[in-house]
Amino acid sequence: GENVEQHPSTLSVQEGDSAVIKCTYSDSASNYFPWYKQELGKGPQLIIDIRSNVGEKKDQRIAVTLNKTAKHFSLHITETQPEDSAVYFCAASKVGRDDKIIFGKGTRLHILP
Amino acid sequence: DGGITQSPKYLFRKEGQNVTLSCEQNLNHDAMYWYRQDPGQGLRLIYYSQIVNDFQKGDIAEGYSVSREKKESFPLTVTSAQKNPTAFYLCASSIGLTPSYNEQFFGPGTRLTVL
Repeated sequence: GENVEQHPSTLSVQEGDSAVIKCTYSDSASNYFPWYKQELGKGPQLIIDIRSNVGEKKDQRIAVTLNKTAKHFSLHITETQPEDSAVYFCAASKVGRDDKIIFGKGTRLHILP
Repeated sequence: DGGITQSPKYLFRKEGQNVTLSCEQNLNHDAMYWYRQDPGQGLRLIYYSQIVNDFQKGDIAEGYSVSREKKESFPLTVTSAQKNPTAFYLCASSIGLTPSYNEQFFGPGTRLTVL
């Protein structure tokens, strides 16, 4: 089955700097890659996603890139702000009988003042 | 105000007792899910339901049971057979089952501690 690896597990960046979180997946049939943000004591919330027919997607300060050949995808947050502090999860899924989302283990992002 | 509610937020139980976690949604979603989250771990799927009166085991269903008698409700019972039940439990729902076309919306979670 699909396996999603996420790095780093913890990331600290100075406010205003950029943050990058990287994920790899094992199943080449995966074609949908969402990213979730989980604030303390809350459930995860979808912040951006990318499909396998697209190499990059951007939404204001966040962007996601996908390299299908290497089977890895990354989340980029620019001009980080205190409210970006949270746990971020990458995930992968594919259209088919086994329509499940497989999550990475998460990255705890700390924005330092 | 649409959304997913989970109650209670914190739950304490003695070892050997069954406990039921509540999940209700008023989003008119057909699909509902239960995930388990442990520290430093991703979300792992326990059970999911595509439609009323139907549900499927996820990756870690052992020691858990669910029911789906109403579209808006998907309670999860943690039985005494679950060897390590202390965790954060998240309920989610989506319009349909296919993740790439149906965003999953999560509730606020229930933190279960078994003493």
